[in-house]
Amino acid sequence: TQLLEQSPQFLSIQEGENLTVYCNSSSVFSSLQWYRQEPGEGPVLLVTVVTGGEVKKLKRLTFQFGDARKDSSLHITAAQPGDTGLYLCAGSMLTFGGGTRLMVKP
Amino acid sequence: DTAVSQTPKYLVTQMGNDKSIKCEQNLGHDTMYWYKQDSKKFLKIMFSYNNKELIINETVPNRFSPKSPDKAHLNLHINSLELGDSAVYFCASSHFYGLAGGPEQFFGPGTRLTVL
Repeated sequence: TQLLEQSPQFLSIQEGENLTVYCNSSSVFSSLQWYRQEPGEGPVLLVTVVTGGEVKKLKRLTFQFGDARKDSSLHITAAQPGDTGLYLCAGSMLTFGGGTRLMVKP
Repeated sequence: DTAVSQTPKYLVTQMGNDKSIKCEQNLGHDTMYWYKQDSKKFLKIMFSYNNKELIINETVPNRFSPKSPDKAHLNLHINSLELGDSAVYFCASSHFYGLAGGPEQFFGPGTRLTVL
């Protein structure tokens, strides 16, 4: 079983701050997805990273896949209350990390 | 236009009862999944079907029986419900990913099951 560890588990910040969350594993993944889940809803796919070292941007969100394809990070610039949610990473064998719960206070 | 829909949204029942959750997707995907999300928000794969055939069956009690009448539907039947079955169950769908890549999954809104 491929395990994905996410950190931090919880993050509470003020609007306008920057933040980075991490997804780490000892296994190599052929691809990795990031999802955001809001209360009472299912996870929604944000991005898929495939190539080691790949960087993808989605507005204020920047996703990076580690060179060895064992880890990934999500950086949010100037966080807004609408970014509040549970951020999940998922590996290529339907394995999900434990998630980072982000709260952005106005 | 709901891409992946589940019914019911909430399900409250007594221990020992049998219940079903239905899932339908209109995305034209050939692979569907059931996940269980516990109170700590940990999302764990239970089953996966590709073209109506079971391809993933994780260590799940045999009280849980999925059924896929066609590619667009994957239902979950649970017999003899136990307190520990209380959780949110998510259905998802995707194109088949094979062994190489991870699927880009579309999730339903979830069914919150409470067993009393």
